[in-house]
Amino acid sequence: EVQLVQSGAEVKKPGESLKISCKGSGNSFASYWIAWVRQTPGKGLEWMGSIRPDDSDTRYSPSFQGQVTISADKPTLIAYLQWNSLKASDTAMYYCATYYYHSAGYGFDDWGQGTLVTASS
Amino acid sequence: QTVVTQEPSLSVSPGGTATLTCASSTGAVTSAYHPNWVQQKPGQAPRALIYSTNNKQSWTPARFSGSLLGGRAALTLSGVQPEDEADYYCLLYVGGAWVFGGGTKLTVL
Repeated sequence: EVQLVQSGAEVKKPGESLKISCKGSGNSFASYWIAWVRQTPGKGLEWMGSIRPDDSDTRYSPSFQGQVTISADKPTLIAYLQWNSLKASDTAMYYCATYYYHSAGYGFDDWGQGTLVTASS
Repeated sequence: QTVVTQEPSLSVSPGGTATLTCASSTGAVTSAYHPNWVQQKPGQAPRALIYSTNNKQSWTPARFSGSLLGGRAALTLSGVQPEDEADYYCLLYVGGAWVFGGGTKLTVL
């Protein structure tokens, strides 16, 4: 089991940059996939993309490709989600979650507590 | 882009059985889609329940089970408890990408 601790809530203005983090624990963290998931107020969950810290293999949802950057630092077991220029529509709760290939198939396991991002002028 | 469809809402009486389903616009859901189910209660982070169609997490109560049913992934709650009232999301792996369903709001009344 991996414990995931996300960085705190952020309030930014549209146009500003932002980087939020997800710190893992446990020896297996680097070999797991770390997904970032968006939840807009009162809405459902959306997969944004994933990264495997071991080799930095990164995948993006077509909806978020070019809009955000996902990265990870293997030695510190931290994954990041970054915006170069926030929009008001980026206001949402963002979760990180781990998944890996169990014997039976891919399974999402642990979730972070969420980071609330507010982009407002 | 793939659309994953769930019932928007479902009501069940305590002790009853609820079956939630998850369909893909690409066709029948199979084990190759690695169906996952997560539960989210108000104000809380999601919590994983089922992975790879029918495999439970160590913390998943025995009354929850996953299956494939008529070309869809399904989550069945047998002997529903009041604390099962929550939003349930399915998650499918389609063409190298994960896609969430819109979620089912389960009401226990």
